Amino acid sequence: AQSVTQLGSHVSVSEGALVLLRCNYSSSVPPYLFWYVQYPNQGLQLLLKYTSAATLVKGINGFEAEFKKSETSFHLTKPSAHMSDAAEYFCAVIIGGASKIIFGSGTRLSIRP
Amino acid sequence: IAGITQAPTSQILAAGRRMTLRCTQDMRHNAMYWYRQDLGLGLRLIHYSNTAGTTGKGEVPDGYSVSRANTDDFPLTLASAVPSQTSVYFCASSEGLGVTDTQYFGPGTRLTVL
Repeated sequence: AQSVTQLGSHVSVSEGALVLLRCNYSSSVPPYLFWYVQYPNQGLQLLLKYTSAATLVKGINGFEAEFKKSETSFHLTKPSAHMSDAAEYFCAVIIGGASKIIFGSGTRLSIRP
Repeated sequence: IAGITQAPTSQILAAGRRMTLRCTQDMRHNAMYWYRQDLGLGLRLIHYSNTAGTTGKGEVPDGYSVSRANTDDFPLTLASAVPSQTSVYFCASSEGLGVTDTQYFGPGTRLTVL
């Protein structure tokens, strides 16, 4: 069965520090992978997506993610955290059509001043 | 352009009551979705529609029904609400059901069933 696992339900970093949010997937076919961000009391917003082109994907707000097939990972990174990055982040995988999207359980990112 | 609107923003409902959550999009997207979001479980797909007149079941469809009479509207109905349906409900839409079609989300409806 296809699935996605986000390691760490809560990550806290200092402002200006590296942000690393982990996502691993399991899939028997090539996956399409997404990262979404959810700010408090809002819906989800797409950060970036991997669709089998370049393995390093750049998204909005300075985030990027690298697809590593050998590690079945799609970790999200940002070189320097801003206070405005505090939010919940969801990794998602699609196999076989958008109706088959599977979301991870989410990682809440906190930024310390 | 509003994107996706959902109503109501929040609702407290007695168990056994019928409730319809409304969703409207103005992007002329073909596909629409309903998700529920529960702590520690992420988002789970309830129902979807790939075009007006057609609907499909997602991961957790039991206790919910949907209809798609036109392109813009995709209401979600709870025929007889139960406390386990307490959740935050998100409507989303995309141009199609393709794997690369980005889903756009509404602001959500917080539903509490007592």
